[in-house]
Amino acid sequence: TQLLEQSPQFLSIQEGENLTVYCNSSSVFSSLQWYRQEPGEGPVLLVTVVTGGEVKKLKRLTFQFGDARKDSSLHITAAQPGDTGLYLCAGSYNTDKLIFGTGTRLQVFP
Amino acid sequence: ETGVTQSPTHLIKTRGQQVTLRCSSQSGHNTVSWYQQALGQGPQFIFQYYREEENGRGNFPPRFSGLQFPNYSSELNVNALELDDSALYLCASSLRTGGYGYTFGSGTRLTVV
Repeated sequence: TQLLEQSPQFLSIQEGENLTVYCNSSSVFSSLQWYRQEPGEGPVLLVTVVTGGEVKKLKRLTFQFGDARKDSSLHITAAQPGDTGLYLCAGSYNTDKLIFGTGTRLQVFP
Repeated sequence: ETGVTQSPTHLIKTRGQQVTLRCSSQSGHNTVSWYQQALGQGPQFIFQYYREEENGRGNFPPRFSGLQFPNYSSELNVNALELDDSALYLCASSLRTGGYGYTFGSGTRLTVV
C-alpha cells in the first residue's frame, strides 16, 4: 500500500516551461527525500528536508516540506531536456525504511 | 569513494527457480536495504540489514530472504520464483542515521518467465 501519493503521474512539457510536482500523505514523516531516476539506473538523491515549512533550492529546483510534515512539493523553473526522468518522493519515520511515492514521470521536449 | 554496485545487472529465470542477487555497499556504509520496483511504480521496501542482522522487513513473504556479510556486502535470495517477482531489485546502503544518506545501486533487472 502506497502511503505517499504523487501528482501528476505523467508530465510532458516544452523546454523552458515551469512545473510543480506534489507529494501528499496522511502520515507525518520525520524527513522526506526527493530522488530522480533515469531508465536502467537506481534513484539518485536530490534533497532531504526535515523541518516543517523548510524550503531548499538546488539550482533550478525548489523543494518545500509542508508545515505539518505530511506533504512536499518540487518546483522546476525553466525545465530542460536533461530534467527528464522519474521523480520520486520518499518519506522516513526515522527507522531507516523509506516509503516511496508513486512517482512522477517527466518528459521535457527541446 | 566507490558507490553501490549490484550484480548481475540482468537476469532471466524460470518460474519455480531460485535466485541470488548481490550488493556491495558504499565504502563506510554499514546498513544495506533492498527494494523491489515493479514497472511504472515506486520502490517497495523488502528488508534492511544492519551489522549482519535483519533490521526491519516490509510486506514480503518468507521466500524473500537475505544476508549481510562482515564487509557489509549483502545478498537477496528469492525462492520459488513467481511471475510477479519480475522487477528491478535495488540495493541501497547508508550509515544508520535514521533515514538519511541513502546511496542506491543501479539495480538488477529480474525477469521470471
